[in-house]
Amino acid sequence: EPEVTQTPSHQVTQMGQEVILRCVPISNHLYFYWYRQILGQKVEFLVSFYNNEISEKSEIFDDQFSVERPDGSNFTLKIRSTKLEDSAMYFCASSGGEVSPGELFFGEGSRLTVL
Amino acid sequence: RKEVEQDPGPFNVPEGATVAFNCTYSNSASQSFFWYRQDCRKEPKLLMSVYSSGNEDGRFTAQLNRASQYISLLIRDSKLSDSATYLCVVNGADSSYKLIFGSGTRLLVRP
Repeated sequence: EPEVTQTPSHQVTQMGQEVILRCVPISNHLYFYWYRQILGQKVEFLVSFYNNEISEKSEIFDDQFSVERPDGSNFTLKIRSTKLEDSAMYFCASSGGEVSPGELFFGEGSRLTVL
Repeated sequence: RKEVEQDPGPFNVPEGATVAFNCTYSNSASQSFFWYRQDCRKEPKLLMSVYSSGNEDGRFTAQLNRASQYISLLIRDSKLSDSATYLCVVNGADSSYKLIFGSGTRLLVRP
């Protein structure tokens, strides 16, 4: 069964450092997303990406964040100058070519701990 | 008003029980509705989409009331493996691609 894969599964970093979280979406999917979940809180939308550009982003996704699809398979989330409050589980997701989002397939997540 | 609101629970029920979860959403222009399941410290997984006419998948039945902006999930004959957090999810009305998650309702099924 095709799946979304994410690396690393857990990253610990010092405040102020840059972090890159990597995702390999399902190969024939066209829409890619990053969500995050702070421990004990709800899943929050960060950004959606389609046709090599951001299609929508939330208020959380400020200049500290960026996304990139550097090649045909990877989809990355970069967090510059991490803050303590960036500690969370970051989920990558992808979906197919429907007009509506349809079923999102989530990766297992990358847990970021900022010290 | 929260965009998607759910009773956090937990609902603690015996095996075999029927349990119902409710959810309300604030934006009347939302068009897509889902129930996702999330196990502890795992990723959300789609349980079922919710259609206007209501739909059933085995022991699970979902209903949508657009007039009241209300979504429900009914689980019949609960199994131990149903223990999880159930997330009500709607799409953001200003975009089809942004999903808004409720905080979830926790279900504990006991033997």
